[in-house]
Amino acid sequence: KQEVTQIPAALSVPEGENLVLNCSFTDSAIYNLQWFRQDPGKGLTSLLLIQSSQREQTSGRLNASLDKSSGRSTLYIAASQPGDSATYLCAPEGTYKYIFGTGTRLKVLA
Amino acid sequence: DVKVTQSSRYLVKRTGEKVFLECVQDMDHENMFWYRQDPGLGLRLIYFSYDVKMKEKGDIPEGYSVSREKKERFSLILESASTNQTSMYLCASSFSYEQFFGPGTRLTVL
Repeated sequence: KQEVTQIPAALSVPEGENLVLNCSFTDSAIYNLQWFRQDPGKGLTSLLLIQSSQREQTSGRLNASLDKSSGRSTLYIAASQPGDSATYLCAPEGTYKYIFGTGTRLKVLA
Repeated sequence: DVKVTQSSRYLVKRTGEKVFLECVQDMDHENMFWYRQDPGLGLRLIYFSYDVKMKEKGDIPEGYSVSREKKERFSLILESASTNQTSMYLCASSFSYEQFFGPGTRLTVL
């Protein structure tokens, strides 16, 4: 059964720092992996989707990489801003089913 | 712009009531999903549907049923609500492996 771990569980950084969020999963037989952000009490917003043939994706200040063989993905946030404060979730996908980690709660201090 | 809507943001029901949660997407997506989100447990898949009138059990289907009579609408039904079904319920639809979420319904069962 797929298990997804996100480290750290919580992170507090000053504005402007570059940071890395980690996601590891136990079953490497996945097709794709998606990163989301969630603001308190809200739904999830899609950030990046890494498809099975890709190793990374970039959108603005965000870059996500995927290493299926080692069961790891990282989300890199450059030049963090207070507006980046949210919970970040990763979800590897295998045949329709997405398994979610419990997330990294990020706080960026002004 | 992608849009997934859920019928209520907040809902309060009594134990034993039959509860309907509605989800509508306007993107002509084939796949739709229902999750619940609880602190410390993350998002867990209840049911999903990959076509009209088709449904598949997720990881925690007990106490729930679903209906998909039209492509754009996916309903979650709590046949007899119980207090342990108090949770945040999130609906999603997907296209080309990317999931899009609704704003969520916070259900409280008294």
